[in-house]
Amino acid sequence: KNEVEQSPQNLTAQEGEFITINCSYSVGISALHWLQQHPGGGIVSLFMLSSGKKKHGRLIATINIQEKHSSLHITASHPRDSAVYICAVASYNTDKLIFGTGTRLQVFP
Amino acid sequence: DVKVTQSSRYLVKRTGEKVFLECVQDMDHENMFWYRQDPGLGLRLIYFSYDVKMKEKGDIPEGYSVSREKKERFSLILESASTNQTSMYLCASSLGRDRYNSPLHFGNGTRLTVT
Repeated sequence: KNEVEQSPQNLTAQEGEFITINCSYSVGISALHWLQQHPGGGIVSLFMLSSGKKKHGRLIATINIQEKHSSLHITASHPRDSAVYICAVASYNTDKLIFGTGTRLQVFP
Repeated sequence: DVKVTQSSRYLVKRTGEKVFLECVQDMDHENMFWYRQDPGLGLRLIYFSYDVKMKEKGDIPEGYSVSREKKERFSLILESASTNQTSMYLCASSLGRDRYNSPLHFGNGTRLTVT
């Protein structure tokens, strides 16, 4: 079993829909990262969080440390949100960053 | 805004060639990383550096070496390129002693093809 699991693996949505991407992990962590990768390669850091909730524009990230679970929400989705979203956790036992395999999101007009 | 610049977007090399991938960051970050990304395998750490001339092996260092002579520059070297090193290579940087407890800044990636 992978230490970081994302769901769903693939997601399609109509423009304007509310989107949720989930990340569950099995290790103790000091931080969790949400990353965005558009086709063509470059990765952008969206959030780094260790507790609670963060918001940036239409994006919201939450984390529940007790349940070892994080969610990334996109409100009023837009075709430009189409990308792969990657969850990564900083394991405090191994001092490693463990990546999920990503969620591919496509938003259609 | 932090900028991480990778020297090439696309690179085609022949088997056996020595290949240099360069990465420069402009925000005085202590930590720099080299990852490769392959379909179905996600991002895997090759090497990282936490200071000038300091380096540590990641999960898949075989066939690679690195150099960090200046704080802003971190080079990945493929001593003798092989076809199984065809991949997307991503450089990243972060600030501070807790390297994963600050935001990561990635370059745009170098897609390397070894023929």
